[in-house]
Amino acid sequence: ETGVTQTPRHLVMGMTNKKSLKCEQHLGHNAMYWYKQSAKKPLELMFVYNFKEQTENNSVPSRFSPECPNSSHLFLHLHTLQPEDSALYLCASSQEPGHLNYGYTFGSGTRLTVV
Amino acid sequence: KNQVEQSPQSLIILEGKNCTLQCNYTVSPFSNLRWYKQDTGRGPVSLTIMTFSENTKSNGRYTATLDADTKQSSLHITASQLSDSASYICVVSAKGNEKLTFGTGTRLTIIP
Repeated sequence: ETGVTQTPRHLVMGMTNKKSLKCEQHLGHNAMYWYKQSAKKPLELMFVYNFKEQTENNSVPSRFSPECPNSSHLFLHLHTLQPEDSALYLCASSQEPGHLNYGYTFGSGTRLTVV
Repeated sequence: KNQVEQSPQSLIILEGKNCTLQCNYTVSPFSNLRWYKQDTGRGPVSLTIMTFSENTKSNGRYTATLDADTKQSSLHITASQLSDSASYICVVSAKGNEKLTFGTGTRLTIIP
């Protein structure tokens, strides 16, 4: 394990469902991130949190709602998703946003399928 | 626009053989370049991080090179093993905002 734990590992949900993805890090990092990884496309940064405060939202649709109650936990709340939202969702953490030496550590991801 | 391009998109080699993966980038100003290994269904795991002044860095059978003048990097894998089968992703960070630009990866398959 990398020190960043994501649950669940797999999720199948209907377009009218509401579900949440969870990420927890035990590395003492202050920054946490959500990424979307679709087939044959580069990782797409969705949200950045630094010391529990959202510092970046890359034009993500409102059907994705992040929550960061503390520096160790990050959630991604999902509702009324579309089939094109099916992807691998990766959580990452770092000592602080973009810091070189205390670099990104990724979780194992949640494979999301929207039916 | 900052971009990272990797080649080839996919590669199949026999176990025990060597291979080299390429990464070209246009990210400027340059801060650092990272290579990640991503097993199927897992998150990326860091292999190396290289800064402007570093030309070569090794991590076991993995050796990364960086030519900051031509904006090219390579990842050389020696004596490949079945466990090397994965996607290898090149990531470049811009100086200042340290934003990461990801390549689409090279899918490497090692066959016995």
